[in-house]
Amino acid sequence: GENVEQHPSTLSVQEGDSAVIKCTYSDSASNYFPWYKQELGKGPQLIIDIRSNVGEKKDQRIAVTLNKTAKHFSLHITETQPEDSAVYFCAASILGGGADGLTFGKGTHLIIQP
Amino acid sequence: KAGVTQTPRYLIKTRGQQVTLSCSPISGHRSVSWYQQTPGQGLQFLFEYFSETQRNKGNFPGRFSGRQFSNSRSEMNVSTLELGDSALYLCASSLELAGGASYEQYFGPGTRLTVT
Repeated sequence: GENVEQHPSTLSVQEGDSAVIKCTYSDSASNYFPWYKQELGKGPQLIIDIRSNVGEKKDQRIAVTLNKTAKHFSLHITETQPEDSAVYFCAASILGGGADGLTFGKGTHLIIQP
Repeated sequence: KAGVTQTPRYLIKTRGQQVTLSCSPISGHRSVSWYQQTPGQGLQFLFEYFSETQRNKGNFPGRFSGRQFSNSRSEMNVSTLELGDSALYLCASSLELAGGASYEQYFGPGTRLTVT
């Protein structure tokens, strides 16, 4: 089955700096890659996703890049703010999360230092 | 539009008991998935339901089961609870696309189950 590795497990950055979280996946058939943000006491919130026919996608301060050849994808957050502090999860699936289930990375605890 | 709702939010049970958790998907979403989240294993896929049928199942023992009703609401049941079943159980819903694929999954707040 699919295996998703996520690094780093903890990332501390100064407010205003950029943060990058990286994930690799094992199943070349995977074609949908979402990123979730989870705050304490809440469920994961979808923040951005990318499909295999696209190499990069941006939404304001957040961007995701995908390299299908190398089987890795990354989350980039620019101009970090205190409210960006949370645990971030990457995931992968073949048909999309509803049809075959998402395989998640172990998460990255992002800490924004004031 | 209201998000995914889960009840109850917190639950304490004793080893050997059984438990039923409930999930109401976003209006119009017909696919409901369940996930278990623990500090050690992270987020793991339990099963997915669409049109009252289980389409996919993760690698969990038969003590974990679920069902979906005609209004797309779903329940999951865990029988003969073990200490290791203590976890946050998350429900997610998604819109089914033509051809059987679905993409964006939206999660509820979860049910925190503690087994003592």
